[in-house]
Amino acid sequence: GAVVSQHPSWVICKSGTSVKIECRSLDFQATTMFWYRQFPKQSLMLMATSNEGSKATYEQGVEKDKFLINHASLTLSTLTVTSAHPEDSSFYICSASGGQLGGEQYFGPGTRLTVT
Amino acid sequence: QKEVEQDPGPLSVPEGAIVSLNCTYSNSAFQYFMWYRQYSRKGPELLMYTYSSGNKEDGRFTAQVDKSSKYISLFIRDSQPSDSATYLCAMSAYNQGGKLIFGQGTELSVKP
Repeated sequence: GAVVSQHPSWVICKSGTSVKIECRSLDFQATTMFWYRQFPKQSLMLMATSNEGSKATYEQGVEKDKFLINHASLTLSTLTVTSAHPEDSSFYICSASGGQLGGEQYFGPGTRLTVT
Repeated sequence: QKEVEQDPGPLSVPEGAIVSLNCTYSNSAFQYFMWYRQYSRKGPELLMYTYSSGNKEDGRFTAQVDKSSKYISLFIRDSQPSDSATYLCAMSAYNQGGKLIFGQGTELSVKP
């Protein structure tokens, strides 16, 4: 299957600072990337959908000014958590799709964010 | 009622057993069906992808989709301890921009 990477895999930051997470599709062009959040023992919660060169579409209840998403190229999307607070601590996972609507989505390994 | 229902388990089986995992759904517009395996603290790994109804086999894994009953299944033959993980079903409709709707996930433990 296709490979998606995320960086960093684990980050600790202080409350009030910003953190950027990168998501890369390594062997295919991802026209669409998705960002998820996952709490322990729970399923994935979609935060936003981003298409290359377009503004991201955020799910209801997700603050777009707090979770900034950029999809500048067909292989890279970034999620920036601005002014992070302890309640933002979570497991953030991206996925990438090659473009066919309904096509396979491949997930990155996830980024564990801890805000102190 | 959730769009996708999946028994969260946990499900514990002995090594070598056949495992059956299931999801039901309510949205008849779903056309694409996937099963993911997720190990603790890792991203989900795509196991099976099926379009519309039918069966698909890949090694020890078989996915079945019955759109008339709005029911999908994943069978694991000759289960191994390395199969111990959480299994997530996911589905999408053509007109939803590729957005996946996930089940809760079933936690599977295969005992040696």
